[in-house]
Amino acid sequence: ETGVTQTPRHLVMGMTNKKSLKCEQHLGHNAMYWYKQSAKKPLELMFVYSLEERVENNSVPSRFSPECPNSSHLFLHLHTLQPEDSALYLCASSQDWGQGALGTEAFFGQGTRLTVV
Amino acid sequence: GQNIDQPTEMTATEGAIVQINCTYQTSGFNGLFWYQQHAGEAPTFLSYNVLDGLEEKGRFSSFLSRSKGYSYLLLKELQMKDSASYLCAVRDSNYQLIWGAGTKLIIKP
Repeated sequence: ETGVTQTPRHLVMGMTNKKSLKCEQHLGHNAMYWYKQSAKKPLELMFVYSLEERVENNSVPSRFSPECPNSSHLFLHLHTLQPEDSALYLCASSQDWGQGALGTEAFFGQGTRLTVV
Repeated sequence: GQNIDQPTEMTATEGAIVQINCTYQTSGFNGLFWYQQHAGEAPTFLSYNVLDGLEEKGRFSSFLSRSKGYSYLLLKELQMKDSASYLCAVRDSNYQLIWGAGTKLIIKP
């Protein structure tokens, strides 16, 4: 496999459920990201990991919990979500983070379409 | 605050040319990106501009004017497969990517 792979592609969960989103990149990149994409809104950066350390957490509610066990894998653990959390969740990776990312693009996975009922 | 503006939706005809504009107000500038996103798919990288001028890549070109805080993506010889959303993003002085809401491009036969 190449690129950035996300599973599952679709997820429906109740507000009391616990689920996890998985992301895997085979590009040898050092930085990985979680984004939330809602209809007709800009991409919202949620979390950034660089070399397996969290470097950015943009005021995301604690019901979203990221985990980065190694440089190739990223998880987003979900619990007690709200209906307004329904969105497309995108994982991305880039060679580096911050100044090291200058001039380089991010590569995205196809996303997980999450519906909270 | 930081802001990226792009039209919400545009319609064009197969074989024609379309220009998608992007204006930005950000704290600093470290490059501008254009991505294409088909419905239900991953955004894919199209172009990167950091200096003023036009970057051409096949049927797609991207222009940047830093003094005006303005960029456009030009798509020539439109094909039905070009129907997608086009996302503009600027890297600010903190190296953060600031994203526009995207422009949905509809191509008609």
